[in-house]
Amino acid sequence: EDQVTQSPEALRLQEGESSSLNCSYTVSGLRGLFWYRQDPGKGPEFLFTLYSAGEEKEKERLKATLTKKESFLHITAPKPEDSATYLCAVLTSGNTGKLIFGQGTTLQVKP
Amino acid sequence: GAGVSQSPSNKVTEKGKDVELRCDPISGHTALYWYRQSLGQGLEFLIYFQGNSAPDKSGLPSDRFSAERTGGSVSTLTIQRTQQEDSAVYLCASSLGPGITTEAFFGQGTRLTVV
Repeated sequence: EDQVTQSPEALRLQEGESSSLNCSYTVSGLRGLFWYRQDPGKGPEFLFTLYSAGEEKEKERLKATLTKKESFLHITAPKPEDSATYLCAVLTSGNTGKLIFGQGTTLQVKP
Repeated sequence: GAGVSQSPSNKVTEKGKDVELRCDPISGHTALYWYRQSLGQGLEFLIYFQGNSAPDKSGLPSDRFSAERTGGSVSTLTIQRTQQEDSAVYLCASSLGPGITTEAFFGQGTRLTVV
């Protein structure tokens, strides 16, 4: 069964304290891995798509990387406005287009 | 439109009543998805449309749930005889298609409360 697991469930950082969020996956065949950000009361906001192991994408303080078993979302020198829930999802070769989501990591950055 | 639009944004209904939730996808997006997010939980897949057909309905929890899409655009999710466990945020997303470059963009969701 295709499965996506995110860790940690929650993360508290001080402003400027860099860290990484993990998304590990077990799937029949990966077509793409997606990172989303979700603020309270809002829908998920698309951040990145990664397609193959070794690929990296960057956006401001965020950098996403992909291996054959997991993806990391690195946050460099975070600011309070980076506080949100970060969701990882996979699109597999075995399904018709649905995304399989992890449970998310809730990040809190304190000033 | 500029983004995925969902209506209503909030809905409070009495147990046993039927509800309809609407989704207007981004213009030109052929793929449309419905997800459900319960409090503190991840996103649970409900149904996927490609055009007007639904090749994957595997996530619909029971026969009280149904969805349709017309004109390759607007979609309606209907829940009949609502139960308290149906309370959740219902999210709609659309994408260009099920191919490799298929970033899905989400609406703001409809918060359904069954009392």
